[in-house]
Formats: sequence, structure tokens, C-alpha cells
Amino acid sequence: EAGVAQSPRYKIIEKRQSVAFWCNPISGHATLYWYQQILGQGPKLLIQFQNNGVVDDSQLPKDRFSAERLKGVDSTLKIQPAKLEDSAVYLCASSSGGGYSGANVLTFGAGSRLTVL
Amino acid sequence: TQLLEQSPQFLSIQEGENLTVYCNSSSVFSSLQWYRQEPGEGPVLLVTVVTGGEVKKLKRLTFQFGDARKDSSLHITAAQPGDTGLYLCAGAASGAQKLVFGQGTRLTINP
Repeated sequence: EAGVAQSPRYKIIEKRQSVAFWCNPISGHATLYWYQQILGQGPKLLIQFQNNGVVDDSQLPKDRFSAERLKGVDSTLKIQPAKLEDSAVYLCASSSGGGYSGANVLTFGAGSRLTVL
Repeated sequence: TQLLEQSPQFLSIQEGENLTVYCNSSSVFSSLQWYRQEPGEGPVLLVTVVTGGEVKKLKRLTFQFGDARKDSSLHITAAQPGDTGLYLCAGAASGAQKLVFGQGTRLTINP
């Protein structure tokens, strides 16, 4: 089966500019996640969707970050305006299950690397 | 806040040596997962452990979940250069919907 697709793979912008990342999950996966991975750290959950509803966005900086998952398939993560500390890899993942049980497997995309100058 | 602390953060050893990576928390987890991440790629799931005291083996890798479900270890026997990567543990506390990751252990196996 095809994996989780993300684009762009790399993006360089100046602070205060905006950027958008796109994710296409594995077909049929109901749950989609956006993680932020800063260099040297583990991934941090930004937002979790189940179908097109938000399950958890408690760590999403809502003054500058937004995400949507229209029609319960593709998702877009936007940052506006970007700050220097937003430099990171943005990982999208999907899973067929909704809760974190032993049977719930997350499949990650390759990520989108953002550099804010 | 559930925290997972991994140790060591960096490990560089020679091919053929054995090593153990630890993942510790003060919280109880319903399940715990180990991932491996290579440069430019997303994390890939290696194993999930769900029962306290559980031991799982994946070729030369042995994973153990602590009896109290607060900690886990990953042991690699006779490490190979292909084992090089970032190893991440991740878990969800009982009843929680959020998967929390440790900061990772960056492993380098030198030929």
C-alpha cells in the first residue's frame, strides 16, 4: 500500500512569512496526526484528527498555527506568521484506529523540514 | 504531563558490541512503543508492548516492558552498522488519547 505522502519536503522562509504543509494519509485511515520534531528532540503532537473532527489540539499554538482536514482525507497545516523557533520537521502520521491501544499502529510520512531565517 | 526520559541520549559503539537503551517515566502507560528513525525519514514502528513484564524479540533486538508499566528497555546484541539511527520510545497513559515521545537515543555503530 502507498505510504503517507507529505509535501513540500523542504521549505525555507523568513520570519513573519507564512507556510503550508500538505499530508495525504494512507487510504482508509480514519486518524491523522501532525507532529513537530525540533532537532535533537522527540516528536511533539500538535493536532490529532479523527475523520474530519479534532480529537486533540492542546499543544497547537493557535495564534499562529492552524490545521484542517476537509472531507476526512487530506490535511493541511499552516503557520502564519512564522517565528525562528518554528524551525523543525513537521511529521504527518495516520492510523486506522482512534485510540492508543497495542493494536493502533501509526505510519509516518517522511516529514517536511522547515527552516525559518 | 507525562514525560518519557530516554538514556543515554547519545551512544557510539563498535560493531559487534551489545548495548541497552532505557525509557523511564513516573507515569503508568497502557502501552509503549519503540520506533527507529533514520535521517530524512519518519519514525518506523519496531514493536509495541502492552503487558507489564512483557518481553519481545525482533532478531537481535530485545524489548522489555517493566512490571509496573512505567519503564522499558531496548537491548541490541552484536550491533551492526545498519542499526545506526534515532531510537524513540513512545507511550500513552491509561485512558489518554495522546502518544507521548521520549527525546530519543541517537545510536551510532562504527564498523
